[in-house]
Amino acid sequence: GAGVSQSPRYKVAKRGQDVALRCDPISGHVSLFWYQQALGQGPEFLTYFQNEAQLDKSGLPSDRFFAERPEGSVSTLKIQRTQQEDSAVYLCASSVERGGTEAFFGQGTRLTVV
Amino acid sequence: GENVEQHPSTLSVQEGDSAVIKCTYSDSASNYFPWYKQELGKRPQLIIDIRSNVGEKKDQRIAVTLNKTAKHFSLHITETQPEDSAVYFCAADSSASKIIFGSGTRLSIRP
Repeated sequence: GAGVSQSPRYKVAKRGQDVALRCDPISGHVSLFWYQQALGQGPEFLTYFQNEAQLDKSGLPSDRFFAERPEGSVSTLKIQRTQQEDSAVYLCASSVERGGTEAFFGQGTRLTVV
Repeated sequence: GENVEQHPSTLSVQEGDSAVIKCTYSDSASNYFPWYKQELGKRPQLIIDIRSNVGEKKDQRIAVTLNKTAKHFSLHITETQPEDSAVYFCAADSSASKIIFGSGTRLSIRP
C-alpha cells in the first residue's frame, strides 16, 4: 500500500484481556515508531525500531506492553492483561531513514478497555 | 529526559489574521523539528519541518522559525482560513532518533 496501515481500527477489550495491534509501515522504511495518544493529548512515545532492532523502549508504560518487528517490516504491539488506563489511540509511524526525516503516521487503533 | 513544551494549548483567531504557536525543547542534540496537523479523528500529517542548519523556512502561508541557542521554535500561519482549524503538534528528534511531541495547540478560526 501507499501509506502506513494499522489494524484493527477499533478494538474493545474486557479488562484483563490480551490484545495485539498490527502496523504495516511503508515498504522500505527503516524506522518504525509506536505512540500512545490519549484524548486531547499529544502522541506519547512508546518504542522505536530501526529495522528489526528495538533501539528504544523507554516509553512503554509497564511490562504488560511488548512490541516486536521480527523481519524489519510489520510490527505488532501487544498489551497483556489490559487495564482501563490503557484506553487510548495507538499510532504507528514509519520513516525512510534512521532520523531527521518525515514520519508518516497510520490511522491508529482506538483501544477501549471496558 | 527529552521534553518538548508547547504553548498555547488553545488559540482562537479571526479569519484572515495570523496565528503563532511556540515550542521549546530540552535536548541540545535535537536537529530536526517537524510540525504536524491533526484533524478530528484523523492521523497527524506533516505540514512543515526545519533542520538545525537553517533559522527559518516558509511554505506559502506557513513559516517556521528556529532559535537553537534558546531552544525555541515557532509556527506562523498567515491569512488564516477555516480549513486551518485543527490541532497542531510541534516535535523534535532526540539524540536517540526518536521523535518527541508537544502536547498540542487547538486552533480555531472564527469566521
